Amino acid sequence: AQSVTQLGSHVSVSEGALVLLRCNYSSSVPPYLFWYVQYPNQGLQLLLKYTTGATLVKGINGFEAEFKKSETSFHLTKPSAHMSDAAEYFCAVSDRRLGSARQLTFGSGTQLTVLP
Amino acid sequence: GAVVSQHPSRVICKSGTSVKIECRSLDFQATTMFWYRQFPKQSLMLMATSNEGSKATYEQGVEKDKFLINHASLTLSTLTVTSAHPEDSSFYICSASTTSGRANEQFFGPGTRLTVL
Repeated sequence: AQSVTQLGSHVSVSEGALVLLRCNYSSSVPPYLFWYVQYPNQGLQLLLKYTTGATLVKGINGFEAEFKKSETSFHLTKPSAHMSDAAEYFCAVSDRRLGSARQLTFGSGTQLTVLP
Repeated sequence: GAVVSQHPSRVICKSGTSVKIECRSLDFQATTMFWYRQFPKQSLMLMATSNEGSKATYEQGVEKDKFLINHASLTLSTLTVTSAHPEDSSFYICSASTTSGRANEQFFGPGTRLTVL
């Protein structure tokens, strides 16, 4: 069974500061990895994903994440926070094995607050 | 591309009534659709997975007779909350995936806020 742990349910940063949202996973086989953002009363928007290849993945809105197999981590970063980045962020994994690749397991979420 | 819509976006109903929520893939064929439930300040909980033309697979603890899911076509899945009660009030989100192209990705709808009085 897979699981996802997001460290820190709330993260506050100042505008212009580095954003770091942590995600660790547990899986017998390295999974597909995703970061989603959710604004209030909206669905989820994909920020980025890792499936194979380069372990540093660049996404939308200046976000990037690095897959580190040895650490079973997929932390999300952005060099400079913007007020519009304030939202809920979810890390998710899915099993890459054939037949079960699409079911997502979500972390508990991290609420990002950006302070002026 | 890969747009998923949900209707209605918000619904208020009386206790005991049934509510139907539609999930549509607008520009692709969704072989699999997922229904999630999200309580305030919490993560998404998978309720069920449905494949076109097949019965839905429900997660443990989800009452299939209460949450009826129909996936009659490759672009439409519906979730019907039967005999709704206040504890069913929640944010319901659907997602869709396809077997071609970005097969390892789910595309999410904007969600439906259900309030049962």
